[in-house]
Amino acid sequence: EPEVTQTPSHQVTQMGQEVILRCVPISNHLYFYWYRQILGQKVEFLVSFYNNEISEKSEIFDDQFSVERPDGSNFTLKIRSTKLEDSAMYFCASSVGGSSGANVLTFGAGSRLTVL
Amino acid sequence: SQQGEEDPQALSIQEGENATMNCSYKTSINNLQWYRQNSGRGLVHLILIRSNEREKHSGRLRVTLDTSKKSSSLLITASRAADTASYFCAIIKAAGNKLTFGGGTRVLVKP
Repeated sequence: EPEVTQTPSHQVTQMGQEVILRCVPISNHLYFYWYRQILGQKVEFLVSFYNNEISEKSEIFDDQFSVERPDGSNFTLKIRSTKLEDSAMYFCASSVGGSSGANVLTFGAGSRLTVL
Repeated sequence: SQQGEEDPQALSIQEGENATMNCSYKTSINNLQWYRQNSGRGLVHLILIRSNEREKHSGRLRVTLDTSKKSSSLLITASRAADTASYFCAIIKAAGNKLTFGGGTRVLVKP
């Protein structure tokens, strides 16, 4: 069964450092997403990406964050200058999408980011 | 917030019993979905119910949707220890593709 793969599974970084989280979505999917989940809390939407541009972003997704699809397969989330409060599990997801709005997301296993 | 809370926040039952959890939301929706998350893992899609549907079944799962009350329930029948996980409802708004999650219900099924 096709799956979304994320790397690294766990990254530890110092506050102020830049971090890039990588994702390989399912190959025929058109919509890509990043979500985050702070330990024990709800899953929060960060950004959606379609047709090589951001289609929607949350208020969490400020200038510190950026996304890129550098080639035909990878989808990356960059956090420019990490803060302690960025420590969380970051989930990539992708979907076929569709005009009917029945958008079922396939999630990766997540990248745990620990900022010290 | 477009998404309300799920209740209960945590549920502990014996194997073989049924588990019911509820989800409320605040906006008009296109569909509502339920996802499962094992501890420290990604979310797995379980079932989707459209705004014009009232009930849907998938194996041991039964989902109901009441758009007048803006609420949904997920019933897991004849629970197994392997059903231990967190369960999240998520909505797609009437116009959009973004999935917005609720707070989740942690279910513990004791063998």
